[in-house]
Amino acid sequence: DIQMTQSPSSLSASVGDRVTITCRASQGIGNDLGWYQQKPGKAPRRLIYAASSLQSGVPSRFSGSRSGTEFTLTVSSLQPEDFATYYCLQYDSYPWTFGQGTKVEIK
Amino acid sequence: EVQLVESGGGLVQPGGSLRLSCATSGLTFRNYSMTWVRQAPGKGLEWVANIKPDGSEKYYVDSVKGRFTISRDNAKNSLFLQMNSLRAEDTAVYYCARPAWANGGYWGQGTLVTVSS
Repeated sequence: DIQMTQSPSSLSASVGDRVTITCRASQGIGNDLGWYQQKPGKAPRRLIYAASSLQSGVPSRFSGSRSGTEFTLTVSSLQPEDFATYYCLQYDSYPWTFGQGTKVEIK
Repeated sequence: EVQLVESGGGLVQPGGSLRLSCATSGLTFRNYSMTWVRQAPGKGLEWVANIKPDGSEKYYVDSVKGRFTISRDNAKNSLFLQMNSLRAEDTAVYYCARPAWANGGYWGQGTLVTVSS
């Protein structure tokens, strides 16, 4: 099974900060990775697919990148509505696996 | 607008069964692989099962193999999850979704399954 190691598990940041979250795959997954935002009591919302493609309707302050088996979600300037939990998902091979999640809190 | 609406959750005793349904609209359901994802209370997301567009191939996380069955009715644009021999650790919100690929990113609102005596 492919393990997705997501870091950090939580972070505190201020509005306007640049925030970076990382997922490392235990083996190659190509670009078969998505990033999801989830707020309490709500369904997840996809931000990025295919490692770096922005989902329609998602603000351009969100971006994704890949370097080998390391994937990064960047929020260029954190906004109040961005405080949430973020997950990566690899869909290259079964079983699909999520990262453990990163909770972004207000500093 | 794509809509995925789950139903069928509830309280069930350990060892019991439950069938979840997901009614879809706004997408060409018969062309799409579909997914069930769950989230235990206060925990992260866990992929549960996938089914190919024609139902010919199904995939499961190890913890539900032999107990859960994913199925679909393309004529009714519906996805199902039959859950048997339920355990306390199956307690979760279950989401119907097409989370991956370019023509995806769709999630239902979730349905809560509670396994308890």
